[in-house]
Amino acid sequence: SQQGEEDPQALSIQEGENATMNCSYKTSINNLQWYRQNSGRGLVHLILIRSNEREKHSGRLRVTLDTSKKSSSLLITASRAADTASYFCATGVMTTDSWGKLQFGAGTQVVVTP
Amino acid sequence: NAGVTQTPKFQVLKTGQSMTLQCAQDMNHNSMYWYRQDPGMGLRLIYYSASEGTTDKGEVPNGYNVSRLNKREFSLRLESAAPSQTSVYFCASGWTGGFTGELFFGEGSRLTVL
Repeated sequence: SQQGEEDPQALSIQEGENATMNCSYKTSINNLQWYRQNSGRGLVHLILIRSNEREKHSGRLRVTLDTSKKSSSLLITASRAADTASYFCATGVMTTDSWGKLQFGAGTQVVVTP
Repeated sequence: NAGVTQTPKFQVLKTGQSMTLQCAQDMNHNSMYWYRQDPGMGLRLIYYSASEGTTDKGEVPNGYNVSRLNKREFSLRLESAAPSQTSVYFCASGWTGGFTGELFFGEGSRLTVL
């Protein structure tokens, strides 16, 4: 079962608009990460937010984390055609072997039209 | 700046054939991972290697074996391929433990088993 689940599954917006996607998870986490994947390519790390943080910014990206609701959101402001990609949340969870694991959701597919 | 390099990029196998996916990273990372990506399923961890000389099972290890040849290289072997192993395989590496830091991904290996 997936720890993180993104919503919506797909999002279509026009250039200049903001794109917001959400991630909900089930168990306590150490951190939550967002990755981007362009079609046919590997995943690229965007931002990491720790469980004791509530908000983080990186360029046009804004991530929030609400541990009481077990949810996170990723906001891309002033979107560009180049932002067209799939976006994945990944939750960092401690496990009994102390190594831990990073669990990925199924992703939100974002299409930005010029 | 090669990062994480995977070979081959594409492969078609017949049921029962074997093959090895190769992965190398040049970032001096300690940990390396193999994930598979299937539509609607996100990424699932097959095996990981916390450091040179160690390997451990992930979420979906059945039908796979791995070798951490040295600090740079981590290979994934399918001994007897099955159609259920048709997927896109990603190798990743990271500085720290399984959940504490960002991962760097290769471009993927697209495997079809007929």
